[in-house]
Amino acid sequence: SQQGEEDPQALSIQEGENATMNCSYKTSINNLQWYRQNSGRGLVHLILIRSNEREKHSGRLRVTLDTSKKSSSLLITASRAADTASYFCATVDGSGNTGKLIFGQGTTLQVKP
Amino acid sequence: EAQVTQNPRYLITVTGKKLTVTCSQNMNHEYMSWYRQDPGLGLRQIYYSMNVEVTDKGDVPEGYKVSRKEKRNFPLILESPSPNQTSLYFCASSLYQGMQETQYFGPGTRLLVL
Repeated sequence: SQQGEEDPQALSIQEGENATMNCSYKTSINNLQWYRQNSGRGLVHLILIRSNEREKHSGRLRVTLDTSKKSSSLLITASRAADTASYFCATVDGSGNTGKLIFGQGTTLQVKP
Repeated sequence: EAQVTQNPRYLITVTGKKLTVTCSQNMNHEYMSWYRQDPGLGLRQIYYSMNVEVTDKGDVPEGYKVSRKEKRNFPLILESPSPNQTSLYFCASSLYQGMQETQYFGPGTRLLVL
């Protein structure tokens, strides 16, 4: 089952601009993770934000978490062509102790040189 | 280098011909799992393993088997592949099953069943 929706589904920007992607989820969480996937390739873990954190930074990435709205956002600043990829948020299924990650549908980001 | 490896990366096979996709991690992780990724359906968990000799079904286990005889390896077995198993498969691992853990993914195996 999908955790929620990501918005927008697709985003096209120029190099140097900022990119913002949003993610909503349905259940209570312990943490939320963001992953990047380059065109049909492996998933790369970007950042994990815990439920008691509101904002986290890693290099050009800034993630926010609003547990009252059950939403998160990923901001990529000063984007580069190499940032072109699909970005997914994921939460751990807390209901059955399976460790299963529940992914959103993803945002496809295109950064034009 | 800490990593999750999968083999093969690409595979074309025919219906009914048994195949195994290997997964190995060198991080001494206890938890491993398999996902498949399909357009419009996203990523879905197939099987997972909490530790050696402990495996359990995920959301879409039909048509798949797994084994966990060693901590580092978690092969995915398709006894009689069918075209609906054409997909992109990912193996993942984390130190423990716990909710605070980051999961690390392999590079993926693209399977086509004719």
